[in-house]
Parts: sequence; structure tokens; C-alpha cells
Amino acid sequence: SYELTQPPSLSVSPGQTATITCSGDKLGTKYTSWFQQRPGQPPLLVIYQDNKRPSGIPERFSGSNSGNTATLTISGPQSMDEADYYCQAWDNSIVVFGGGTKLTVL
Amino acid sequence: VQLVQSGAEVKKPGASVKVSCKASGHTFTGNYLHWVRQAPGSGLEWMGTINTNSGGTRYAQKFQGRVTMTRDAAISTTYMEVARLTTDDTAVYYCAKEDYSTPGPIYWLDPWGQGTLVTVS
Repeated sequence: SYELTQPPSLSVSPGQTATITCSGDKLGTKYTSWFQQRPGQPPLLVIYQDNKRPSGIPERFSGSNSGNTATLTISGPQSMDEADYYCQAWDNSIVVFGGGTKLTVL
Repeated sequence: VQLVQSGAEVKKPGASVKVSCKASGHTFTGNYLHWVRQAPGSGLEWMGTINTNSGGTRYAQKFQGRVTMTRDAAISTTYMEVARLTTDDTAVYYCAKEDYSTPGPIYWLDPWGQGTLVTVS
């Protein structure tokens, strides 16, 4: 079965850039979405189609996907961005999630 | 566009649970509705999907034979039933609407329901 791998955690300072990776075999040939999940809340779509932002998602969120790695970038993360982030892709009509990355904004 | 799920449930091992997901603000039929669960302290796990138009389903291999997804188009509601519950089924269960754009087509999951906590004890 298809697998997506994320680092379990990442810590950044507010002035830095947070880069969360998601790795999978030939992931660049599939479209990737990213979800933000704050404690006690359902997942929120922040990136779809590799690099598209839904309405209402701040411009500091961006995405890319090439080769075997998709990347979620948060430029100048704020304390409100502290959350778990999950990548997701489709493999033969099956939905696959990465294991999630806990982002801490110090 | 909103998905509203049924309330929390407490079940005994061996029992079944049926969770509902009611859609409002968009056309119910012609979409796929997905179910995803999250055990305490764990990540997201895809369970399967149902075509709200035809009722056709696709389940993750892990849940085949134990999970049943149905829909009632008249009330814009989708159901997900899990049979033969064990303590490992304790989780928050989410429904999520599949959206898409063409050409491609390109798919994504948005919005999500608020979640339903199922406790098996």
C-alpha cells in the first residue's frame, strides 16, 4: 500500500520559515493536499492541488510538489499556526494521509 | 456548505455504532462523502467513501466486511456503521466532502464535519 512519510515534529521561531515535508514514491505525479488540525478541532484544508490556497487561508501558507517530496511552507509563522499538519494524496482512488507533523512556534 | 454529525456515543465491545453526517448549503447528490477516523493521540485514518448519488461505496481494506456506508438523499444525510466494535475503535469519526475541479480532474476534501467521538468500553 502507498505510504506518505512526515517528520513527527518541527519547532520554529516566529521570524523563521516553517517547512514541513511529505515523502512518497513518485509523489510529484499525484496532487497533494495539506490539512491543519488544532487540538479538539476537525482538520482544515490549507493547501490543495499542491499549491492552491482555499478562500480564507492566509498567504503565508504555500505548497510545492516535485519528485518524491511535497512541501508545506509557512512564512513567518504565528502562534495561531501551532498545530498538527497532515499531507494527503490519492492512490488509485484510495485516500492516503501522512502520519502528521506537530508544529511548535516558539 | 456545512456537514453536521451526530453526537457522541458510548458502546460496549461487540456492539455496533451508526454515525450520521447531514449536509446543508450544497447539492447533496453528485458528490462523494468520505469517512476518516482519528484514535486518541494518533493521526488520520481513511475508512472509505460513498457516492451520494448512486450509493456506491469503496472501503479501505482494513474495514471491509465491518463498515457499511449508506445515504438517504431525501434528507441529505450519509451514515457510517461499524460492527463488532473493539476498544481499538475508540476514536473521533469525521465525514468530509470531496470537491473537485476540471480539467484533471483534481480532488480535495473540504469541508469536514465537526467529528463524532465513539468510545468503546
